[in-house]
Amino acid sequence: QPALAQPASVSGSPGQSITISCTGTSTDVGAYNYVSWYQHHPGKAPKLMIYDVSNRPSGVSDRFSGSKSGNTASLTISGLQAEDEADYYCSSYSSNNIFVFGTGTKVTVL
Amino acid sequence: QVQLQQWGAGLLKPSETLSLTCAVYGGSFSGYFWSWIRQPPGKGLEWIGEINHSGSTHYNPSLKSRVTISLDTSRNQFSLNLNSVTAADTAVYYCARRPGGQFRTTYYYYYYMDVWGKGTTVSVSS
Repeated sequence: QPALAQPASVSGSPGQSITISCTGTSTDVGAYNYVSWYQHHPGKAPKLMIYDVSNRPSGVSDRFSGSKSGNTASLTISGLQAEDEADYYCSSYSSNNIFVFGTGTKVTVL
Repeated sequence: QVQLQQWGAGLLKPSETLSLTCAVYGGSFSGYFWSWIRQPPGKGLEWIGEINHSGSTHYNPSLKSRVTISLDTSRNQFSLNLNSVTAADTAVYYCARRPGGQFRTTYYYYYYMDVWGKGTTVSVSS
């Protein structure tokens, strides 16, 4: 099962908005509304930021939002802050009880 | 608040078996899938597989022939065994929880991991 495609890096200035794409296929992202996003600071445990395409867990800032169109899901971070600098991974449920992760995107706050 | 504490051997030789254990503290063991995910150096996350409280397992097809995930409900622990390791198995290994619930007699599960362990670095080298 190939990894979901994400841009290697995205950058923005404080206060700006950035969007990270996550492209899969009709058997994963396109087939289910089960896309999740994780923030990963190196050396720490990944943190769930978005689940089921667009839902935020309790405690996650509303500056983080998710969406999906066809085989591509997106994570938008608005009002970019220095603490948002991290790696971000999307994940999708796929057929036959399998999960697939994205290739990862490094977010840099300029 | 649920916490996952993981441990296992950090240095292996090629052909050996990787063994990691993850203990669940502060929460129920039942009604969840318990997962293993890894991150090779410089690469992205890779889902390895999962097991639920009743022992039902799902594995990544690319690793299925070498992976066994098991559980010890008496200790609230689950384990990962990966045999015949090579340098390509060098990675940080994470355990994680996939949440679920119960309606009457039926268990259901969500499609994300909400609690993660801190990771265990495993290196394979001769």
